[in-house]
Amino acid sequence: AQKVTQAQTEISVVEKEDVTLDCVYETRDTTYYLFWYKQPPSGELVFLIRRNSFDEQNEISGRYSWNFQKSTSSFNFTITASQVVDSAVYFCALSPDRGSTLGRLYFGRGTQLTVWP
Amino acid sequence: EAGVVQSPRYKIIEKKQPVAFWCNPISGHNTLYWYLQNLGQGPELLIRYENEEAVDDSQLPKDRFSAERLKGVDSTLKIQPAELGDSAVYLCASSPGHSYEQYFGPGTRLTVT
Repeated sequence: AQKVTQAQTEISVVEKEDVTLDCVYETRDTTYYLFWYKQPPSGELVFLIRRNSFDEQNEISGRYSWNFQKSTSSFNFTITASQVVDSAVYFCALSPDRGSTLGRLYFGRGTQLTVWP
Repeated sequence: EAGVVQSPRYKIIEKKQPVAFWCNPISGHNTLYWYLQNLGQGPELLIRYENEEAVDDSQLPKDRFSAERLKGVDSTLKIQPAELGDSAVYLCASSPGHSYEQYFGPGTRLTVT
């Protein structure tokens, strides 16, 4: 069974603060992909990152960074120097790379991030 | 490049009425997905197509939901008859293949009264 847990339902920060969104996953598969998506108030899900289960290298893209730790089944997302435009619901997702549910995205319940000016 | 297109954006119907949603994926994307998103939840897959073939439809309530993807491009999702509990956002997504990132459309917000 696949499961993604985002324990933080809501986070509020003030602009320029750093914020980390937690994601913990469960899977019995040895190969899988992990994703983060952003859903702003407009409603459209925006792809942020895709990570292969064999690649534990951390990644940085501008103010965004991701920390993948297979040992703790976590794939955390950090926004540095947050901005008001970062306000959105952020979803972590897992996709098996084999089996009947190959390619299916299993989403967490999302974390609502609010950045105040 | 155009993104995933969905229509209508909003739909209000009475229970027991039929409703249909349409999706046009990104050009060249062979894989198409329909997801259901309830308020405060993450999306859940209803059905996945590889070209014209439905390869993962185990989550689709087949007693009232149906889908098709003729010619392996556009897709239609239908509910007949709709129930109050079907009120949700229906999202369409596409990708170049099953292991790639999925690109989502704006969704159709369905309200059943």
